[in-house]
Amino acid sequence: DSGVTQTPKHLITATGQRVTLRCSPRSGDLSVYWYQQSLDQGLQFLIQYYNGEERAKGNILERFSAQQFPDLHSELNLSSLELGDSALYFCASSVEGLAGDFTDTQYFGPGTRLTVL
Amino acid sequence: GQSLEQPSEVTAVEGAIVQINCTYQTSGFYGLSWYQQHDGGAPTFLSYNALDGLEETGRFSSFLSRSDSYGYLLLQELQMKDSASYFCAVGGANNLFFGTGTRLTVIP
Repeated sequence: DSGVTQTPKHLITATGQRVTLRCSPRSGDLSVYWYQQSLDQGLQFLIQYYNGEERAKGNILERFSAQQFPDLHSELNLSSLELGDSALYFCASSVEGLAGDFTDTQYFGPGTRLTVL
Repeated sequence: GQSLEQPSEVTAVEGAIVQINCTYQTSGFYGLSWYQQHDGGAPTFLSYNALDGLEETGRFSSFLSRSDSYGYLLLQELQMKDSASYFCAVGGANNLFFGTGTRLTVIP
């Protein structure tokens, strides 16, 4: 158990819909990262937040957005869902996470499996 | 752009040693990380190399050569539980890129 929690574990929805994935980092970790893992794309970094502010942005679609709240939990919002958005979405956290420096060990949550029908 | 290459599959015998290579091309390189992921599980951090050389953590070692844009993960005394996918990841400026993963199968 990494100490990172994600809800829900599974999510099934239809194309065009909007969903919100939630992540609670390990106690004391200030940085949260979101990843998408699909069979054909592998593991892709989406976005990082540090202490409430966006710190780094990867291959995140404009239909996707995220935020980190004062209690440090984070939400990933996916809208206008397409079949290709079906994937495992992981959240990870680390103690620091300086901008541009991914040297800090990241602890991954169990993931949310999103299925778009 | 960025790219990472690692073998898609490796099979090795229990008790043996296996090396998983990773070559990368990226800008703003900070370091090379390795993650393990069992089927249905989350990635787990194994090691990180920022400087050239070998880092050892128990049965696992990781090597980096920045001049060759190359690294490897070495697993010794293989156990059945080591059967998993192994990803190399490159940290760059404001981003982290993962390889497509190497599926390691350990056979008796």
